Amino acid sequence: DVKVTQSSRYLVKRTGEKVFLECVQDMDHENMFWYRQDPGLGLRLIYFSYDVKMKEKGDIPEGYSVSREKKERFSLILESASTNQTSMYLCASSSQGSRWDTQYFGPGTRLTVL
Amino acid sequence: QKEVEQDPGPLSVPEGAIVSLNCTYSNSAFQYFMWYRQYSRKGPELLMYTYSSGNKEDGRFTAQVDKSSKYISLFIRDSQPSDSATYLCAMSPLGAGGFKTIFGAGTRLFVKA
Repeated sequence: DVKVTQSSRYLVKRTGEKVFLECVQDMDHENMFWYRQDPGLGLRLIYFSYDVKMKEKGDIPEGYSVSREKKERFSLILESASTNQTSMYLCASSSQGSRWDTQYFGPGTRLTVL
Repeated sequence: QKEVEQDPGPLSVPEGAIVSLNCTYSNSAFQYFMWYRQYSRKGPELLMYTYSSGNKEDGRFTAQVDKSSKYISLFIRDSQPSDSATYLCAMSPLGAGGFKTIFGAGTRLFVKA
């Protein structure tokens, strides 16, 4: 059974803190993604990675950075958390190649920044 | 204007009803069309996908794409309380799993027993 796991389901942080969100997939997928999900706005892509140590900015990268040191692990970093980064964060992975390779999502991390 | 528009609902129907969920889009380059289902406190999971225009059926679910109108639909027949979830449409010019996928905001569906 395919699986994408995220390190925390719920997280509460203070403004200015550095925040790490971890994502691990066990499907040997090349692609990994970080999205945020907000009511009325849907899923918006923050960053994606198509290979180890490779990353590309998505639609809303400001205030975020990422790290992919191993194929199965993709980390999202909030360098200095702000209240407007309160959101649901979803990690996903997909395989390169066949056009039908779908994105598999983790359960999400609900982050609250106070 | 958003690239993909989806009515957020909520949509409330009685058990057994036929449900119609819809999205419109503006980018004529979209070729791959997907529907994801997201249960409360879970990540989205792929429900159906289609390429280009036409219909695709899978059990109680039918996905329909009308590229001339830039309009996609998901029909659920004989809806069940277990179908209660948020349904997100998604579309891409490149492929189902790629970084160019654009998601709709999602429609919340409640099926009452």
